Amino acid sequence: LAKTTQPISMDSYEGQEVNITCSHNNIATNDYITWYQQFPSQGPRFIIQGYKTKVTNEVASLFIPADRKSSTLSLPRVSLSDTAVYYCLVGDLPLYQLIWGAGTKLIIKP
Amino acid sequence: SAVISQKPSRDICQRGTSLTIQCQVDSQVTMMFWYRQQPGQSLTLIATANQGSEATYESGFVIDKFPISRPNLTFSTLTVSNMSPEDSSIYLCSVDPGVDEQYFGPGTRLTVT
Repeated sequence: LAKTTQPISMDSYEGQEVNITCSHNNIATNDYITWYQQFPSQGPRFIIQGYKTKVTNEVASLFIPADRKSSTLSLPRVSLSDTAVYYCLVGDLPLYQLIWGAGTKLIIKP
Repeated sequence: SAVISQKPSRDICQRGTSLTIQCQVDSQVTMMFWYRQQPGQSLTLIATANQGSEATYESGFVIDKFPISRPNLTFSTLTVSNMSPEDSSIYLCSVDPGVDEQYFGPGTRLTVT
């Protein structure tokens, strides 16, 4: 299972675009990249998943370069409610087999 | 999607006692999972609970300490037995409804004194 490296924490301001990068140098051919969001006192919530290039949904975009050794979660125009821990997981499906890293604590300031 | 509820949401227990955590899903799912999350830490998978079979435990977790029941496709329980302060943690159940997404319950915050 591929190991991931994320920044421990990040700060940003309301209305800004936030990009969180995850490194996964030993990603395997069958591995997917999945991001979760966790608010305090709640379970993690699925945000987005991708294999290559770019994936976009109503919440975020996921950018994956051709070598797939990293990925970037992009949150457009964040608000205070986006303050949470964001986890990057890499591995073959099913998702429950994936190893959870420490995540990135994102703090949005007014 | 799947909506998951857990009971209790939190509890404070004395060492040596046991606590059973319930997990209820609003739809039938084959695979249910139990995780532990130390405050401020990442998630660790305890076991996989499939209806009709024995739970499968991850390394470091044993059935005697964390017995699991899965009586039907919408319900599961995790018991934390003979608790010690080291068992203080958040316990989360989750499901994989087969759409490559994993849904989590709100968690049960356990404090052992």
